[in-house]
Amino acid sequence: NFMLTQPHSVSESPDKTITISCTGSGGSIADNHVQWYQQRPGSAPTTVIYEDKRRPSGVPDRFSGSIDTSSNSASLTISGLKTEDEAVYYCQSYVRGIVIFGGGTKLTVL
Amino acid sequence: QLQLQESGPRLVKTSETLSLTCTVSGHSISSAYYWAWIRQAPGKGLEWVGSIYQTGYTYYNPSLESRVTMSIDTSRNQFSLKMISVTAADTAVYYCVRDSRVSGYYDLDYWGQGTMVTVSS
Repeated sequence: NFMLTQPHSVSESPDKTITISCTGSGGSIADNHVQWYQQRPGSAPTTVIYEDKRRPSGVPDRFSGSIDTSSNSASLTISGLKTEDEAVYYCQSYVRGIVIFGGGTKLTVL
Repeated sequence: QLQLQESGPRLVKTSETLSLTCTVSGHSISSAYYWAWIRQAPGKGLEWVGSIYQTGYTYYNPSLESRVTMSIDTSRNQFSLKMISVTAADTAVYYCVRDSRVSGYYDLDYWGQGTMVTVSS
């Protein structure tokens, strides 16, 4: 079964750059698009990246996504960190019609 | 502006059936999108329950499939979730979501605010 694995937590200072990984197992991550969602406390998730690297309108270009086939992983990079970026980030993919989520990564901006 | 609103009992007894409805406004549920239920247990991550198309075609989470039924009512612009034989492990915030997989892009792009369902004896 295909699974997506994320680090439980990451932290970085304001104005710095952070990268959150999402590693696939049980299949190739490049076979299916990866989405990234941001969830702030008490709120529903919102999309920050879809189809590996596309940004919805309204999402700042500080957010970017990529796929690395050599490590079978997707990455979400946030540059110029702001305190408002503090949230839990989930990667997600579709595999033969099934929706798979990673376990989520809590980003702390300190 | 598309909006999704979950409704249903907030408290369900152990071993009984959880029933939720999602009302979609500002968009036709008969359009080329799937419609999904996603849940989140307290302090935990997101778990997809299932997705349904206007035709009634469904995809379910294999780990929940034996207990879950989704349905869709295009005349009311609503879709629903039924989960039988619930336990405390089914206590979660349940979100209804638009699933764009057949619409030319892949995204879970609109979410309801979520409704907290507690399972207790």
